[in-house]
Amino acid sequence: DAMVIQNPRYQVTQFGKPVTLSCSQTLNHNVMYWYQQKSSQAPKLLFHYYDKDFNNEADTPDNFQSRRPNTSFCFLDIRSPGLGDAAMYLCATSRDVGKLFFGSGTQLSVL
Amino acid sequence: AQSVTQLGSHVSVSEGALVLLRCNYSSSVPPYLFWYVQYPNQGLQLLLKYTTGATLVKGINGFEAEFKKSETSFHLTKPSAHMSDAAEYFCAVNTRSGGSNYKLTFGKGTLLTVNP
Repeated sequence: DAMVIQNPRYQVTQFGKPVTLSCSQTLNHNVMYWYQQKSSQAPKLLFHYYDKDFNNEADTPDNFQSRRPNTSFCFLDIRSPGLGDAAMYLCATSRDVGKLFFGSGTQLSVL
Repeated sequence: AQSVTQLGSHVSVSEGALVLLRCNYSSSVPPYLFWYVQYPNQGLQLLLKYTTGATLVKGINGFEAEFKKSETSFHLTKPSAHMSDAAEYFCAVNTRSGGSNYKLTFGKGTLLTVNP
């Protein structure tokens, strides 16, 4: 039944070692989002894809990049993770206005 | 630019008591407003949304919210709290991002604790 699937559930990486988080969806939604959520804070939008169009938030660090090879998959690449990048990363999809479907998230730890 | 303010980062109620979580928004255009719930170590789940029409919106798990334009508010209520309601609640407003593209801006969240 899972509609937005994020793997892995927990990811540990080393300081400066590139890491990729993945997201897939079975909903065929045209919009996919990546949010960063730090402890006890609101989810913060990093970027989103509207179909193939990439929309980066102005304050998203260059260290964060994304790929969407097809409708179903979207990846978050962190080129050189720092300690401050440890967070929960949430993938979401939507078709209707504002009704986002979220995955369970990937908890990233940076050692 | 749109923004959301949630008053009270932590609300504690007794089981069976009224739940009231406050949300005020700022928007230059008619807003679309949402409440999401997040249980520990999980993603966010939509509770309810207001787009147009009836200002009192009913959602899942017995929650409801009322859009009050004059007060720029969208407070979330539930008549009787249950232990399973303990979670983080986020209010959100839609932001048009070019054409028909939308993105959600979240408030900082309110942690609801339910005491037995």
